Amino acid sequence: DAGITQSPRHKVTETGTPVTLRCHQTENHRYMYWYRQDPGHGLRLIHYSYGVKDTDKGEVSDGYSVSRSKTEDFLLTLESATSSQTSVYFCAISESIGWQGTGKLFFGSGTQLSVL
Amino acid sequence: GESVGLHLPTLSVQEGDNSIINCAYSNSASDYFIWYKQESGKGPQFIIDIRSNMDKRQGQRVTVLLNKTVKHLSLQIAATQPGDSAVYFCAENGLSGNQFYFGTGTSLTVIP
Repeated sequence: DAGITQSPRHKVTETGTPVTLRCHQTENHRYMYWYRQDPGHGLRLIHYSYGVKDTDKGEVSDGYSVSRSKTEDFLLTLESATSSQTSVYFCAISESIGWQGTGKLFFGSGTQLSVL
Repeated sequence: GESVGLHLPTLSVQEGDNSIINCAYSNSASDYFIWYKQESGKGPQFIIDIRSNMDKRQGQRVTVLLNKTVKHLSLQIAATQPGDSAVYFCAENGLSGNQFYFGTGTSLTVIP
């Protein structure tokens, strides 16, 4: 999957607990994204990053935070997981032309998160 | 917010026939559109893209058509094969240019 590794692949947690998902890339791409995928909603953008320490919110960012301290790693944190955050989470990366992402996203294999 | 929709959630075609998957978008400012294919248990995979200054773009067995007047996008797959069975998503870049909005997907089933 284009040098993208997501961990863990599966996670079961309880409501109210913190959860961190990790995305690691070996492509040295500037842009990294976190999406969630739910039946009937397609993929929805949570947060994205356009460089180290540079992040921005997507359309469904409430309840999530992200950090990017190195080019290769993009972390997604659920500070206090809720059942509505049960979903499949995908990380994606893209090249950039100047400061603009190319839009051609390469996705990881996903993390299945279940919040009980 | 953005609205990217698909006309049909499922599509079944005979092997060897051509497939057409449609997508409507709402943001007239979008200038970049992409089709992705997602196989079961995997992440979406880039198929083909098109910019708003084009009406048509062809790849290997796939063609994307863009009608900006009615804000409609379609993906045509020629000689559909069993390996084409998957969920297909269209995506647009919306107002920001860096945020990509996905449709809900069309599930394509190829009947041998």
